[in-house]
Amino acid sequence: QVQLQESGPGLVKPSETLSLTCAVSGYSISSGYSWGWLRQSPGKGLEWIGGIYSGATSYNPSLKNRVAISLDTSANHVYLKMTSVTAADTAVYFCARVPLRVNDFGEGVPGYRFDDWGQGTLVTVSS
Amino acid sequence: DIQMTQSPNSLSASVGDRVTITCRASHPIISLEWYQQKPGKAPKLLIDGISHLRSGVPSRFSGSGSGTDFILTITSLQPEDFATYYCQQSSFYPPTFGHGTRLDIK
Repeated sequence: QVQLQESGPGLVKPSETLSLTCAVSGYSISSGYSWGWLRQSPGKGLEWIGGIYSGATSYNPSLKNRVAISLDTSANHVYLKMTSVTAADTAVYFCARVPLRVNDFGEGVPGYRFDDWGQGTLVTVSS
Repeated sequence: DIQMTQSPNSLSASVGDRVTITCRASHPIISLEWYQQKPGKAPKLLIDGISHLRSGVPSRFSGSGSGTDFILTITSLQPEDFATYYCQQSSFYPPTFGHGTRLDIK
């Protein structure tokens, strides 16, 4: 059974970069699922940040310029980097296993349904 | 973005009751998911594709609807069902969630 575990600093200063790791066990991240990041805050509720499958990424347009998601298949980790954070980025961050969808070109790309979730990690942006 | 509006925002019910939660999309969609979240835990996928019950989810949960209007029904509420429920559209980029319906014990 797949397990996902988020980790990273719980406190980040405004304007700095948030970096989180999702350690996946029980399933190889290079197999047939994509991987996503989401966050939850009292003000904005649940928000999709983005997803990745192999080399293909997809990001929420509201965050696109500040976010990068990557994979380390040897470590079986999924990473999130978010630059220039503000207090509005304070949230619980989740990683998730996401079934692929097929785009108009017949390619497998990150999907939009979130089958399995990590427990989440709270990130507070404050000086 | 597709806006997802849930109602009610909160609901009080008793064990054994039947409850319905509605979710309205701002544009017709063809795929919708329902999640259950308990305090301090991650959301758990209950229903995908509008009405498909995920493995291990009790049959007292059901989903229905089409177009812009969708319903989650829980028959014969059990103590473990008191939680917050979210709908989510997976038809259009970016995927979006409703703001949740909190189900409390009366």
